[in-house]
Amino acid sequence: EAGVTQSPTHLIKTRGQQVTLRCSPISGHTSVYWYQQALGLGLQFLLWYDEGEERNRGNFPPRFSGRQFPNYSSELNVNALELEDSALYLCASSFGGPTEAFFGQGTRLTVV
Amino acid sequence: GIQVEQSPPDLILQEGANSTLRCNFSDSVNNLQWFHQNPWGQLINLFYIPSGTKQNGRLSATTVATERYSLLYISSSQTTDSGVYFCASSGAGSYQLTFGKGTKLSVIP
Repeated sequence: EAGVTQSPTHLIKTRGQQVTLRCSPISGHTSVYWYQQALGLGLQFLLWYDEGEERNRGNFPPRFSGRQFPNYSSELNVNALELEDSALYLCASSFGGPTEAFFGQGTRLTVV
Repeated sequence: GIQVEQSPPDLILQEGANSTLRCNFSDSVNNLQWFHQNPWGQLINLFYIPSGTKQNGRLSATTVATERYSLLYISSSQTTDSGVYFCASSGAGSYQLTFGKGTKLSVIP
């Protein structure tokens, strides 16, 4: 059974640009979560999607946004990139509700 | 929201030694998970344990929900156990995980 897959694995962007990260959940999972792990700041919750709807968002500015598609895959968009957006972005999926979450391998974003 | 605290922040062990990592949480939880982050950044699931005790090989975990803590035990540690161990939980009304700051474990030969 395929796990959570994320793409791309690495990318480098210039300050001010926009970026889209992608996540495919485990088959049957309806919830997708996005987290940011910046150096020295731990794992911070970004967004939670379930059944195509945004259910909750963390304490991030509106330039962080996303969506979930009918097949439950998800995109994370970051506009007007700033240097401090450089981080590992992790996606997780789970069945609906407080069930076990599984993480993808992450996308490492570097903003220069 | 729920607060998660892990201790110790750093731990150095000789290969073969045993260790206990602790996770305290501030409120009742509907989910608690332990992860090991590998050198490439991926979070590897160790245990899904909102309550009770589980064992998987040399690793075991116990969550005492009424006292708001969880423990991860590593026995006969190996150098491959090195890395950062995270505890994460979610509380009533929300399902996204809140992570502790992690315990960085170094196992030396």
